[in-house]
Amino acid sequence: NAGVTQTPKFQVLKTGQSMTLQCAQDMNHEYMSWYRQDPGMGLRLIHYSVGAGITDQGEVPNGYNVSRSTTEDFPLRLLSAAPSQTSVYFCASRRPGTGTAFFGQGTRLTVV
Amino acid sequence: DQQVKQNSPSLSVQEGRISILNCDYTNSMFDYFLWYKKYPAEGPTFLISISSIKDKNEDGRFTVFLNKSAKHLSLHIVPSQPGDSAVYFCAASAYNQGGKLIFGQGTELSVKP
Repeated sequence: NAGVTQTPKFQVLKTGQSMTLQCAQDMNHEYMSWYRQDPGMGLRLIHYSVGAGITDQGEVPNGYNVSRSTTEDFPLRLLSAAPSQTSVYFCASRRPGTGTAFFGQGTRLTVV
Repeated sequence: DQQVKQNSPSLSVQEGRISILNCDYTNSMFDYFLWYKKYPAEGPTFLISISSIKDKNEDGRFTVFLNKSAKHLSLHIVPSQPGDSAVYFCAASAYNQGGKLIFGQGTELSVKP
C-alpha cells in the first residue's frame, strides 16, 4: 500500500545543475500536483495535472517543467537550479470531485 | 495574491482546552474546503473537509465551521491533546478550476500538557 512515492528524499545541487524529482502513485488518481513548502509561505502550487497528457501552471511555475505521460507518474524538472529553489517539495494525488489529496513524504532540495 | 490566508503563524493552547484555527479566502468560486495536519519530516495528511453547501462538519474532536458571507472558515479541536501539536493547513478548491488545490500559510499549534 505505497500511496504516493517521491524520490529522492534529499538532494543537494549546485547552481545551474538540472535534475528531476520523481513522483509515482498507485491509487489510479487522475489529479496530481507539485507543491513547495517554504517558511512562512505555506504550500504553494507549482504545477498540476488533471490526467495523462494534460498539465497546467500553478501559483509559482517559473523554473520548473512537468509532463504526464502516464496516470501513475508526474516528474518535476528543474532545468537550471537556483538558490531560490531551495525548498521542500511535495507531490500529491487525488480523484476528481473530491479535494482529499494524498501526499508523498517530500523531497528536501538544497541549491548551493 | 494569496487566495487562502492563515494569519496566525502559531497558536499555543493548554491540554484539554479548545484550539481554534482560522482561515480566510478571497476566491468566491471556492466550493470545497479542507484542513490538513503536518508533522515535521512528513507529508501533510487529510484531517477534515466541508462543502460550501454546509456550514458545519464534525468528526470526533474536530469541527470545521464555514461562513461563506465572511469567506472564513475555522477548525475547532476539543479537547486539545499534546499529540495534536503540528502545523495545520487550510486548503480550498473550486469545481470549475480542475485540479487546483490552494493552501494557506499554515498555523503551528502547540498543545502544552
